[in-house]
Amino acid sequence: EAQVTQNPRYLITVTGKKLTVTCSQNMNHEYMSWYRQDPGLGLRQIYYSMNVEVTDKGDVPEGYKVSRKEKRNFPLILESPSPNQTSLYFCASSSTRPGADTQYFGPGTRLTVL
Amino acid sequence: AQSVTQPDIHITVSEGASLELRCNYSYGATPYLFWYVQSPGQGLQLLLKYFSGDTLVQGIKGFEAEFKRSQSSFNLRKPSVHWSDAAEYFCAVGITGGGNKLTFGTGTQLKVEL
Repeated sequence: EAQVTQNPRYLITVTGKKLTVTCSQNMNHEYMSWYRQDPGLGLRQIYYSMNVEVTDKGDVPEGYKVSRKEKRNFPLILESPSPNQTSLYFCASSSTRPGADTQYFGPGTRLTVL
Repeated sequence: AQSVTQPDIHITVSEGASLELRCNYSYGATPYLFWYVQSPGQGLQLLLKYFSGDTLVQGIKGFEAEFKRSQSSFNLRKPSVHWSDAAEYFCAVGITGGGNKLTFGTGTQLKVEL
């Protein structure tokens, strides 16, 4: 089954404790993105990747890092989480440019930073 | 910069009634337009998209949307709503220049009364 998986689905952590949210897709897609969803703000892009070793900032990249060492994986790293990063995070992939193609979303990761 | 406005935060309709969700966009060029649906606890799923051609597009689950360039709108419609349509709906505009991303509206929460 074609899908985007994220782990963990739920995470509660404390300020400053580094964490990684994993994302994997099995559709051989070139493009992958991370979004955060906050009430009243919709989804905002954090980072995206056009291919292995090629990443770029989205609208809200501060406080986040990403890497793309393999085509199927696109982890999101919070080196020193803060409470304002409490949010619902989605990973997405698409075969071509995200702005011009269907994006396939993972189920989401709900992060709480205390 | 591109933007998307969904003026209705919440909408309640009776099962069997018709539905129209409004979406207005701001973008300098011909837009790529999308409607996504998010069921509770789920990721986003594409309902339909418009790239070019026929301005009335058909999607899954009986939804359709009409692109009106003169009004900068891309409203979503369904002639008869089912209880299972209760969800949050997001309109998005895609750009493929610097950024390669979707810009989402803030969403419309649909409640269906039985």
